[in-house]
Amino acid sequence: DGGITQSPKYLFRKEGQNVTLSCEQNLNHDAMYWYRQDPGQGLRLIYYSQIVNDFQKGDIAEGYSVSREKKESFPLTVTSAQKNPTAFYLCASSNPGLAGDTQYFGPGTRLTVL
Amino acid sequence: GNSVTQMEGPVTLSEEAFLTINCTYTATGYPSLFWYVQYPGEGLQLLLKATKADDKGSNKGFEATYRKETTSFHLEKGSVQVSDSAVYFCALDAGGTSYGKLTFGQGTILTVHP
Repeated sequence: DGGITQSPKYLFRKEGQNVTLSCEQNLNHDAMYWYRQDPGQGLRLIYYSQIVNDFQKGDIAEGYSVSREKKESFPLTVTSAQKNPTAFYLCASSNPGLAGDTQYFGPGTRLTVL
Repeated sequence: GNSVTQMEGPVTLSEEAFLTINCTYTATGYPSLFWYVQYPGEGLQLLLKATKADDKGSNKGFEATYRKETTSFHLEKGSVQVSDSAVYFCALDAGGTSYGKLTFGQGTILTVHP
């Protein structure tokens, strides 16, 4: 089955620790995205990558880092510099060459800082 | 900049009632418009989309028409079911250099009672 997988589903972290969230896709999509979702709010874009070995900051990139070494993978690291990291994190992918191309989402990772 | 505004929720309906969730947008050019649905604890799924003015997107009994004159993309369903209870997000892809990047509304929580 084609799709996007995110792991783990739940993640707990102590303050001051970095943590990496996994995102893998087998849809052969060029572009991948990371969003943050907080209660009662829409999704906010953290980082996106339109091609391997290239990525750009989204609207709320501070305290986060990413890499895109393979087309299938786009891991997100939440660093200790992120002041309020507790949130639901969603990864997505698409082929944005066509207008209105759909973004496909993974099931999400819920990060809780203790 | 680009923005999406959804009607505030939550929305609570009885089964078989008519549903409307309003969505208006601000964007330059000719954006593509989307409705996504999120069930509890899950990622987002595309519900329907429209890529040009006067297009009607439809899926699972839901419909939305791209109205450029009113910059709107309201979601409607004639008879809701309990299984439609979820969070609904309106989004746009402004195209151009923003190709593939989505701007989301804040989401509308829908609860349908038997």
